[in-house]
Amino acid sequence: AQSVAQPEDQVNVAEGNPLTVKCTYSVSGNPYLFWYVQYPNRGLQFLLKYITGDNLVKGSYGFEAEFNKSQTSFHLKKPSALVSDSALYFCAVRDNTGFQKLVFGTGTRLLVSP
Amino acid sequence: EPEVTQTPSHQVTQMGQEVILRCVPISNHLYFYWYRQILGQKVEFLVSFYNNEISEKSEIFDDQFSVERPDGSNFTLKIRSTKLEDSAMYFCASRAGQGRNEKLFFGSGTQLSVL
Repeated sequence: AQSVAQPEDQVNVAEGNPLTVKCTYSVSGNPYLFWYVQYPNRGLQFLLKYITGDNLVKGSYGFEAEFNKSQTSFHLKKPSALVSDSALYFCAVRDNTGFQKLVFGTGTRLLVSP
Repeated sequence: EPEVTQTPSHQVTQMGQEVILRCVPISNHLYFYWYRQILGQKVEFLVSFYNNEISEKSEIFDDQFSVERPDGSNFTLKIRSTKLEDSAMYFCASRAGQGRNEKLFFGSGTQLSVL
């Protein structure tokens, strides 16, 4: 079965510093990987996805993610964090069987301090 | 950008009561999903729906749950007899197709509180 793991419940970073939110995955077949962000009292917003191609994927709000097949990782990164980036971040993998539901990780809370 | 719309945003109900959560997916989308998120926990898949029938459901989606697309625009989740543990944020999602470039669009959620 497809699964993702987000090892950190929370990541703290100072504004202006680079940030990394970690995700590792387990899939059978080709991995289709996603990052979503959830702001308080809001739904899940799509940030970026990896389907195939370049290992560095660029997404919304200056975020990018690096796909590493050998380490089965898909870490979310941003060169310079903003206070407004503070939110809950979910990594997800598409189930390649059936009707391709997304399987989410447990989420990582990102806190960016001024 | 098109949006998935969910109503109500908050629903409070008594244990044992029936609730219906409503969703209006994006108009040209064909695949529909319900997920839920218990406070502080991960987002869990409940059910997927295509061509007017359930295509996949999780073990959470027991006989107390049902889904319908009654009029070609709304997509509803019904819980027949709510339990305390049904308290969660419920998200509706939709997607246009099965292509690998398709992404899943989520609504803002309905916060269900069962008292």
